[in-house]
Amino acid sequence: NAGVMQNPRHLVRRRGQEARLRCSPMKGHSHVYWYRQLPEEGLKFMVYLQKENIIDESGMPKERFSAEFPKEGPSILRIQQVVRGDSAAYFCASSPLTGASHQPQHFGDGTRLSIL
Amino acid sequence: GNSVTQMEGPVTLSEEAFLTINCTYTATGYPSLFWYVQYPGEGLQLLLKATKADDKGSNKGFEATYRKETTSFHLEKGSVQVSDSAVYFCALRSIQGAQKLVFGQGTRLTINP
Repeated sequence: NAGVMQNPRHLVRRRGQEARLRCSPMKGHSHVYWYRQLPEEGLKFMVYLQKENIIDESGMPKERFSAEFPKEGPSILRIQQVVRGDSAAYFCASSPLTGASHQPQHFGDGTRLSIL
Repeated sequence: GNSVTQMEGPVTLSEEAFLTINCTYTATGYPSLFWYVQYPGEGLQLLLKATKADDKGSNKGFEATYRKETTSFHLEKGSVQVSDSAVYFCALRSIQGAQKLVFGQGTRLTINP
């Protein structure tokens, strides 16, 4: 009974490289959310996706960041030309089909991205 | 817009002490309210939730009551243990829009034996 699976757990990149973070939601969940946690801060919403659709990307930086959730396979958060300020923990959460507000979101263990 | 304000930490208590972590919110409509806990190096785990006014969420000895009149959702536990040491996040989820979670800044709790 796997929960939300994120990989890799830790990712190190040099400035200017690309980072790809993967998230497989819980079985039966079709709503995926990405959040970013800077050191000693709370989580900030980035993007909300359903299969093959971006529903809300109001928390995504306008440049270098993109996300997808294809019909098959995991959701991907992609950061191009990474900079030091991108160093953070990135968490994925999923919720069931209905996506109702009373349904809790279930979180993965996160990917800790470090930029050298 | 929606927001959550939590009691600033860090909070340090002795084992078996009484715990309160304050949380207040600002939201349109009637959001659902959650407490999540984060242990070192891990993701967030749902601790408890409440979906309407006067609901009380409870789990593992923790409780929180949804108070609409004071827009609060304070977390309490009568007798804390060393294993409760973690970061606690209060969050709301609106019925409108993307239903994303809006988090407080987190409160780091350390329990000494």
